[in-house]
Amino acid sequence: VQLLESGGGLVQPGGSLRLSCAASGFTFSDHYMNWVRQAPGRGLEWVGRSRDRVSSFTTSYAASVTGRFTISRDDSQTSLYLQMNSLNTEDTAVYYCVRESKDYGTSSGYRYSYYYMDVWGKGTTVTVSS
Amino acid sequence: QSVLTQPPSASGTPGQRVTISCSGGSSNIGTNTVSWHQQLPGAAPKLLIYNNNQRPSGVPARFSASKSGTSASLAISGLQSEDEADYYCAAWDDSLIAYVFGTGTKVTVL
Repeated sequence: VQLLESGGGLVQPGGSLRLSCAASGFTFSDHYMNWVRQAPGRGLEWVGRSRDRVSSFTTSYAASVTGRFTISRDDSQTSLYLQMNSLNTEDTAVYYCVRESKDYGTSSGYRYSYYYMDVWGKGTTVTVSS
Repeated sequence: QSVLTQPPSASGTPGQRVTISCSGGSSNIGTNTVSWHQQLPGAAPKLLIYNNNQRPSGVPARFSASKSGTSASLAISGLQSEDEADYYCAAWDDSLIAYVFGTGTKVTVL
């Protein structure tokens, strides 16, 4: 199981960048996929998520990127993408592609489903600077 | 801005037990399962615990976790030098419609 991000680099404020994540070793179409970022010296911040075909490929985004970032996926290419527009210095970070898996548990005889992020890529660095 | 609160640091000598707390709310930990992720220096994060207390294959048994109400905790028993890392809790938030991470805890082995 592997996730390999690419597309990072230096971009000026106001510019755009498209990140890619190539997945291998698992059935990509069965999984939700996420982008998570980490600014220099800071903690982890969830960026957004793409659900699977069963969930109509719907997406969710963090408030900080809504309207500027767009997540898409190509199941035939087992790839996830992050289109980033109107970039600002606060978007400088390492961007990780993260697989999400679904499983079932039981509690007090009640069966429930849950999701969790279980496989991380090595990340790609985005620097927004003039 | 992190919604889940963790202590910034924790430490112990080799062999000791260290615990890390993660405090959330009714819309995240109170409703959904918690996962924990370990980030070794200079590396990408790695899943350590899922579904509140389950360890993926390959994670040593000295790592354990629990959840109660709107809080969760991670324990490292028999602390080892290779456990020196940053640890993050995470959960889905039904109100924000977003994943939320903890503020992160740096574990130091003295």
